[in-house]
Amino acid sequence: DIVLTQSPGTLSLSPGERATLSCRASQSVSSSYLVWYQQKPGQAPRLLIYGASSRASGVPDRFSGSGSGTDFTLTISRLEPEDFAVYYCQQYGSSLWTFGQGTKVEIK
Amino acid sequence: QVQLVQSGSELKKPGASVKISCKTSGYSFTRYAMNWVRQAPGQGLEWMGWINPKSEKATYAQGFTGRFAVSVDTSVTTAFLQISSLKPEDTAVYYCASWGYDILTGYYVDYWGQGTLVSVSS
Repeated sequence: DIVLTQSPGTLSLSPGERATLSCRASQSVSSSYLVWYQQKPGQAPRLLIYGASSRASGVPDRFSGSGSGTDFTLTISRLEPEDFAVYYCQQYGSSLWTFGQGTKVEIK
Repeated sequence: QVQLVQSGSELKKPGASVKISCKTSGYSFTRYAMNWVRQAPGQGLEWMGWINPKSEKATYAQGFTGRFAVSVDTSVTTAFLQISSLKPEDTAVYYCASWGYDILTGYYVDYWGQGTLVSVSS
């Protein structure tokens, strides 16, 4: 099974700063099936990015995704107060989905 | 309006079974796979498996075979997750979620239930 490793585990930043989150796969992943989610406490995950770089409906353009093969990145250009949350990458391959372990973006 | 409404919280003793329902509306139930995702307290998301509502074929992640069973009843557009021989470590929020590319439109869809808390304690 493909393992996704997210780094860093926790990112401490101030509002207005840029956040760069990494997701590394143990083997090559189809970009079409690389997804990013945001989750806030007590809520279901919210889709941010699909196909590695396509923003989901209603997602602000400060969120962007990039990458291919085994290395993918989620960038938040300027953090807003509502962006402090946990972010997960997810991939599909060989009929199975897997999630990364998550990156928490916290207020510094 | 798409809705996935899950059944309420459950408190069970070790060794018991639980069956969670996920009632859907507002979209074509058989068009997308139904997934189940577990989130233990303070932990990350774990994909458990999925079922094709049309064929009723299920696929499970490693670690979710044997005691876990997903099913659907297309007549009432509802998916189910049954967990048998419950253990304290099964304590978690369980989400149903339907996601994937719509082969007709090419858009990516993503629908989630509100989650069901299952607590296992003696």
